[in-house]
Order: sequence, then structure tokens, then C-alpha cells
Amino acid sequence: QVQLQESGPGLVKPSETLSLTCAVSGYSISIGYYWGWIRQPPGKGLEWIGSIYHTGGTYYNPSLQSRVTISVDTSKNHFSLKVHSVTAADTAVYYCARHVNEYSSSWQYNWFDPWGQGTLVTVSS
Amino acid sequence: DIQMTQSPSSLSASVGDRVTITCRASQSIASYLNWYLQKPGKPPKLLISATPSLQSGVPSRFSGSGSGTDFTLTISTLQPEDFATYYCQQTYSTPWTFGQGTKVEIK
Repeated sequence: QVQLQESGPGLVKPSETLSLTCAVSGYSISIGYYWGWIRQPPGKGLEWIGSIYHTGGTYYNPSLQSRVTISVDTSKNHFSLKVHSVTAADTAVYYCARHVNEYSSSWQYNWFDPWGQGTLVTVSS
Repeated sequence: DIQMTQSPSSLSASVGDRVTITCRASQSIASYLNWYLQKPGKPPKLLISATPSLQSGVPSRFSGSGSGTDFTLTISTLQPEDFATYYCQQTYSTPWTFGQGTKVEIK
């Protein structure tokens, strides 16, 4: 059973870098799958941040791409998120999730399952 | 970006009711639509992927339908554990986007 757990500082100052790690258990990242980050501002909806393949290939939400870096460390079986130059608008619960990608020659489906429990990151001085 | 609009934003229903939630995409997304359930303080849980594929372990009272721009999530007989917020998500094109959510409350 795959489980994910986010970790990192709960408070970040404006203009600094938000750094989170997602530890994966029950599955070796080096085998496969994409792995993704999604965030949810308090009381609001969900926003996909980006995803990384186990070999390191990434794709990001264009609205955040200039400030976001996602990386993977297969030796530690975890992947990480950095959001640079944060503002109050980056305050959110950050979730990591397994990004499942199934495809054929004519279709390609994606979904997130399972998710970590989430971690609240507040941007404030 | 493809905009996803859910309706209603919230609804009140009783245990045993049939509930239908609608999700509309700003352009055709074929059947590239997922549904998630979220309870307060918990992460979203996948219910249905690639409309209408029910995930393993999800009760059969949940069903998804639709294609193109209009989709529905139906709960045939609402149970106490179904009171939550439901989100649709399109994965036709990046950036993947979610609806704003539909909160199902107890009447």
C-alpha cells in the first residue's frame, strides 16, 4: 500500500523559498509513476502545481513555472518541491500525490491517487 | 487553461436521497475527467477516473457519466459518510484544473 507524507517548515517569510519533501513508503519511486504536488489555499479549491517522472522529467503549471522546482531523489525514495519568492498568495495546504498516467496509442489518462495528508504552509513575516 | 465549473456550489440532502452534481468544462475534454471526495481536514480521495471508471473500493452507489463538456457525478442513495465536498478535475490538457467544489451537507 503506497503512502505519502509531506514534511517541511510551516512558516515561510515573504520573498523566501518554500521547501517541502514528500516521503513515499510502500513503493520504490525508481520503479515508475509520476509524482505530483497540488495545493489548496485555506477554504478554497485545488491547484495542480506540477509533476515529476521517476527518471526526473518534469512538467509544471505555467502559472507557477517560473517560481517552482520539483526534484526526485530515488535513493531516499522521496521527491521535493521548491517555490521561490513566495508571497501571502502562496499560503496553502500543500499535498503530494502519486500521479498515475495510463496511455495507449489513442488515449492518455491521468489522475492523482493516493494523496499525502497535506501540510499547511503559511507565508508571513 | 480549461475552466471547470461545478453546480451547485452546495446542496442540502438527506440520507437516502439521490444526489447529482454537474461539472462543465469550458471546452471539450472528451472523457478526461476525474472526481474526488474531500472531507474536512483530509486530503482528496479519488472516486472516479477517466469517466466513468469507479476506483477499487469505492461503493457502487457512486457513478460518473458524460463526455465532451458536460459531466455528472451521481450518488444513488446518499449515506452519512458521503457528506463532503466533491471536486471534478480535467486531465485533457495541462495545466490540469479542478472545479471549485460542491459541498454536500446534511438537510
